[in-house]
Amino acid sequence: GENVEQHPSTLSVQEGDSAVIKCTYSDSASNYFPWYKQELGKGPQLIIDIRSNVGEKKDQRIAVTLNKTAKHFSLHITETQPEDSAVYFCAATGFQKLVFGTGTRLLVSP
Amino acid sequence: DTAVSQTPKYLVTQMGNDKSIKCEQNLGHDTMYWYKQDSKKFLKIMFSYNNKELIINETVPNRFSPKSPDKAHLNLHINSLELGDSAVYFCASSQVAGAGDTQYFGPGTRLTVL
Repeated sequence: GENVEQHPSTLSVQEGDSAVIKCTYSDSASNYFPWYKQELGKGPQLIIDIRSNVGEKKDQRIAVTLNKTAKHFSLHITETQPEDSAVYFCAATGFQKLVFGTGTRLLVSP
Repeated sequence: DTAVSQTPKYLVTQMGNDKSIKCEQNLGHDTMYWYKQDSKKFLKIMFSYNNKELIINETVPNRFSPKSPDKAHLNLHINSLELGDSAVYFCASSQVAGAGDTQYFGPGTRLTVL
């Protein structure tokens, strides 16, 4: 089955810096790769996703890149702000389900 | 308007008890899920229902029994609670079954077994 690895587990940046979170997946049949943000005490919320027919997608300060050959995808956050502090999860499609990465705790210091 | 709601938000109980968590979605979605998030934040699917029918049943102990009375509701009943059941349980929903659709998560139910 699908296995998703996510790095780093924690990431501390200064406000205004960029943050990059990387994920690798194992199942070459996976075709959907969402990213979720989980704030303290809340459920995960989708922030951006990408499908296998696209290499890059951008939404304001957030972008995701996908390399199907290498089976890895990354989340890029530019001009980070304190409100970006949260746990971020990548995910990939397995058989009829999403398989999540282990999460990255992002801390943005003012 | 709350899209996916869960009750209760917190649940503290003794080992051996039986408890239920309820979930409702008002998005008109066909598919609903239960996830378990452990203390290390690892998020793992437990069950998935499509149109009231069970389509995913991960390797979850038989003490866990989901029930979907209609498309908008998915409840989780847990018998004979154990210490290891302590976790945050999330309900989610999506428009269609399969993994390629956006899933909307509820706020979670933090279960503590003493």
